[in-house]
Amino acid sequence: AQSVAQPEDQVNVAEGNPLTVKCTYSVSGNPYLFWYVQYPNRGLQFLLKYITGDNLVKGSYGFEAEFNKSQTSFHLKKPSALVSDSALYFCAVYYGQNFVFGPGTRLSVLP
Amino acid sequence: DVKVTQSSRYLVKRTGEKVFLECVQDMDHENMFWYRQDPGLGLRLIYFSYDVKMKEKGDIPEGYSVSREKKERFSLILESASTNQTSMYLCASSFQGFTEAFFGQGTRLTVV
Repeated sequence: AQSVAQPEDQVNVAEGNPLTVKCTYSVSGNPYLFWYVQYPNRGLQFLLKYITGDNLVKGSYGFEAEFNKSQTSFHLKKPSALVSDSALYFCAVYYGQNFVFGPGTRLSVLP
Repeated sequence: DVKVTQSSRYLVKRTGEKVFLECVQDMDHENMFWYRQDPGLGLRLIYFSYDVKMKEKGDIPEGYSVSREKKERFSLILESASTNQTSMYLCASSFQGFTEAFFGQGTRLTVV
């Protein structure tokens, strides 16, 4: 079965420091990977996706993600965190016409 | 901008009631989805639809049904609400293929 793991429930980082939110996946066939963000009491917003091509994918709000096939990972990164980046982040894999989501990682950026 | 609109932000219903959650999208998307979101569990797929009048069960369909009579509208029905269906419900839509989904703002349902 397809699955997505986000090994950290919570990530804390100081404003201005780089951030990483980790994601690993298990899928048969080629992986189609996504990152979404959820602000309090809101639906999810799309950040970026990997379908094929360059392993480093750039997305919205200065976020990027690195696809690593050998490690089956798709970690989300940002060079300099902002307090406004504090939110819940979900990694997802697209499979069989729908999305399988990870459990989410709460990112807190401290001023 | 793509809009996915859910009919209610907050709902409180009694055990045993029949509950309707409505979702409308304005981007002519083929696919529509219903998820429930619970802390620590992420999003779990209840049902999805890839065309009008078509539906597929997701991971947790028990106690739910869906209806898609028009392309833009996807309804989730709780036949007889129970307290363990208290949750955040999220509707989403997308084009077919490897494209991102667009989400509604969510409906927080409390069953008492």
